[in-house]
Formats: sequence, C-alpha cells, structure tokens
Amino acid sequence: GAVVSQHPSRVICKSGTSVKIECRSLDFQATTMFWYRQFPKQSLMLMATSNEGSKATYEQGVEKDKFLINHASLTLSTLTVTSAHPEDSSFYICSARDSTSGELFFGEGSRLTVL
Amino acid sequence: KNEVEQSPQNLTAQEGEFITINCSYSVGISALHWLQQHPGGGIVSLFMLSSGKKKHGRLIATINIQEKHSSLHITASHPRDSAVYICAVGPHLISNFGNEKLTFGTGTRLTIIP
Repeated sequence: GAVVSQHPSRVICKSGTSVKIECRSLDFQATTMFWYRQFPKQSLMLMATSNEGSKATYEQGVEKDKFLINHASLTLSTLTVTSAHPEDSSFYICSARDSTSGELFFGEGSRLTVL
Repeated sequence: KNEVEQSPQNLTAQEGEFITINCSYSVGISALHWLQQHPGGGIVSLFMLSSGKKKHGRLIATINIQEKHSSLHITASHPRDSAVYICAVGPHLISNFGNEKLTFGTGTRLTIIP
C-alpha cells in the first residue's frame, strides 16, 4: 500500500542549529502535504499546509521564518526548524494526500530533541 | 468544548474482548478519519468515512451524520491492538481534494492485557 516516509525518525541537535525533516510519498504523487506537531500526551496540531510549487500556508501562531517548508516536487516536502531551541523539541508528523484518490496517508513521525 | 470529543480517554480490556471507542463532533464535516498511533509515534490511517459503515479485518467503523457520531469497534481484541486511537474530522468534500484541515480528537489510549 501507499507509504509516506519521514526522515530522520529521531534527531538530536544543539541549540542554535537548523534541522531538516523530509516527508516523501513513496508510491503516489501528493500535491498537498501537511505538517503537524505533537506534544506528549496531546493530539496533533496542524502547523502548515504544504503545496507543491507554491508557498506553504501556515496556521495562526506558527512562525513561517522559524519553520521553513519547501514542497519542490510531487513526492517531497521538507520542514526545516531554523535556529532550534529546546522548546522546539517535539514530535513532528507529516501527512500526504494522494492527488489521484484523495486518500490521506501519515508518516511515521520525527522526534526532535534540542539540547 | 472541543469540536471533536472522544470517549473513553483510556480503556483497558482483556484479550478477546469487544472494544468500542466513540467520537462525537460538533462541526459540519464531509469525512471522518480513524487513526491508530503506535507507542513509537507512527500513525496509520484505519478508515475514512463519509457515511454508513466500513469493515477491515477485525475493525469496524460506523458513522451517523445526523447524530454527528462515529464509533470504532475492535472484535477479538489482541495485545497488538494496544495503541492510541484518534478520531479526526475534515470540513471539505473529499472529492474536492482540497487543503483539508483535519480537526483531531485527543485520542483514546487502548491497552489490551493478555
């Protein structure tokens, strides 16, 4: 079946560095991908909607200069956490919508720890 | 009041029991998703419903649009079913393939004891 791959699954970085997380649709094309953030024991919070070939749409309260999203192809969206701080430590999940069927598939998530 | 509410928040049951998880929503929707989140964090989409009932293996999902309520049932539960089950609703028509923003419930943590 369709798979959405996220990489890396876990990353530890020093405060002030930037971290890039990739979200790939492996066997379908996705013009739309979504990035979520999840704090422990809480539900997913939508951060932004990533559209292939255009700028991402950010949710209220999400800093677009802090969380850079690039959706350069129909199978890849990237989230870059710039100048990471310990409060950015979280679980980041992407989902991708199959452009043909409309089905939504989720990635395995990426756990970011900022020291 | 949350737009999507799930009950119960936590559920512990013996292996083999029939499990029911409920989801009520207050917004207008065209589709409801049931998701499974494993302890490691990865999410699997179990069902996407706009009406009626769907079955996949031991899992059954139903939705009542008029009552704004959905249920997820697990028959012959097994310890490997232990996970967090999340209900999410979307406001846009699936056929539009639009930028559907899902509203998520807080999840139901299911533990099946051998």
